[in-house]
Amino acid sequence: DTAVSQTPKYLVTQMGNDKSIKCEQNLGHDTMYWYKQDSKKFLKIMFSYNNKELIINETVPNRFSPKSPDKAHLNLHINSLELGDSAVYFCASSQEWGSNQPQHFGDGTRLSIL
Amino acid sequence: KNQVEQSPQSLIILEGKNCTLQCNYTVSPFSNLRWYKQDTGRGPVSLTIMTFSENTKSNGRYTATLDADTKQSSLHITASQLSDSASYICVVSVRFGAGTRLTVKP
Repeated sequence: DTAVSQTPKYLVTQMGNDKSIKCEQNLGHDTMYWYKQDSKKFLKIMFSYNNKELIINETVPNRFSPKSPDKAHLNLHINSLELGDSAVYFCASSQEWGSNQPQHFGDGTRLSIL
Repeated sequence: KNQVEQSPQSLIILEGKNCTLQCNYTVSPFSNLRWYKQDTGRGPVSLTIMTFSENTKSNGRYTATLDADTKQSSLHITASQLSDSASYICVVSVRFGAGTRLTVKP
């Protein structure tokens, strides 16, 4: 009964391909997030959705497009993958936007670009 | 320069000992300060969340402090256990620090 689940856990693909990462939360939270953790271990927010509406888009290239079909899902589609996209991508959720409730993270998707 | 600086970068202690991790920030505006624990290969797990008016919060053997005037926070771990080995990440508003890698040895 994982709270925030991401698939796949590992993704190895070639430069130029298009790929998607899926995220689902079963906590009934209103807000979901995508983070990128680079090789230096910094976690940087990419997107945040509240009730399926985009709240944050942190200077992420247009090749990254989040899709929220419903409150429980926030998928990340990446077009024309580049070497610099290699990282671990984390999905998270929280009860509501701007609250002091904790964010719950998935276990990450390790994306490797060949 | 990152807006959330953590020190030390890494730390090795013996099981049963206490330790304190530091977080200095310049993030503005301030909404809250969070400490997370991240085990290798896993997502971060929330330890504490503090708002501007709070200066200490505990979660079991973890105690976080916040000095909003000096923009400093610390995470104190008491009676460390092997399972405390992880990265500890300070987050101010939406800005993440790089974390402190703690290793607890028997």
